[in-house]
Amino acid sequence: ETGVTQSPTHLIKTRGQQVTLRCSSQSGHNTVSWYQQALGQGPQFIFQYYREEENGRGNFPPRFSGLQFPNYSSELNVNALELDDSALYLCASSLETEYEQYFGPGTRLTVT
Amino acid sequence: AQKITQTQPGMFVQEKEAVTLDCTYDTSDPSYGLFWYKQPSSGEMIFLIYQGSYDQQNATEGRYSLNFQKARKSANLVISASQLGDSAMYFCAMREGFSQGGKLIFGQGTELSVKP
Repeated sequence: ETGVTQSPTHLIKTRGQQVTLRCSSQSGHNTVSWYQQALGQGPQFIFQYYREEENGRGNFPPRFSGLQFPNYSSELNVNALELDDSALYLCASSLETEYEQYFGPGTRLTVT
Repeated sequence: AQKITQTQPGMFVQEKEAVTLDCTYDTSDPSYGLFWYKQPSSGEMIFLIYQGSYDQQNATEGRYSLNFQKARKSANLVISASQLGDSAMYFCAMREGFSQGGKLIFGQGTELSVKP
């Protein structure tokens, strides 16, 4: 039991729509990272938030954006959905001084 | 450029036997960490073991050990006494120091199947 939760579990959207995915960090963790995992691939880093500020970003377009709230929960927003955005989206929480990242169960997004 | 390579798309092992999953990495940063995660079909990434670049001894966690060969840039995972519940995808990952914002770079994964 890692304590990281994500919602929703599954989601189906249409191309061009917008989606918001949510992540609740493990208690006490002030850093949240988001990853995209396409089918058959390893996860790819989208961005990280530390104390409500973006603290590193991977090779994803600006239509991928995020927020971190004072309670350290986080949202991933994707605008103008494309078919290739279909993937498992994982969030991971951690303390900035520790090496381990604790992953949530993920949200499976399907874009049709 | 930082990169993780896992060359075994799939592996089979007999229950109770040991298995080694290969991982090589590439980085120019002298300070880095190496991780192994297990991903069952449910999707959640489960942390297994960690090795820091300055650690002198190979990491061990129960049935998991990491064979760290720094000069060869390899970080193979050894699972002893395989169990049916070990069947899953296994990912090797790397984190470069703390200046990169703590992002993990993952390999393509190895699917392990444990046979009864």
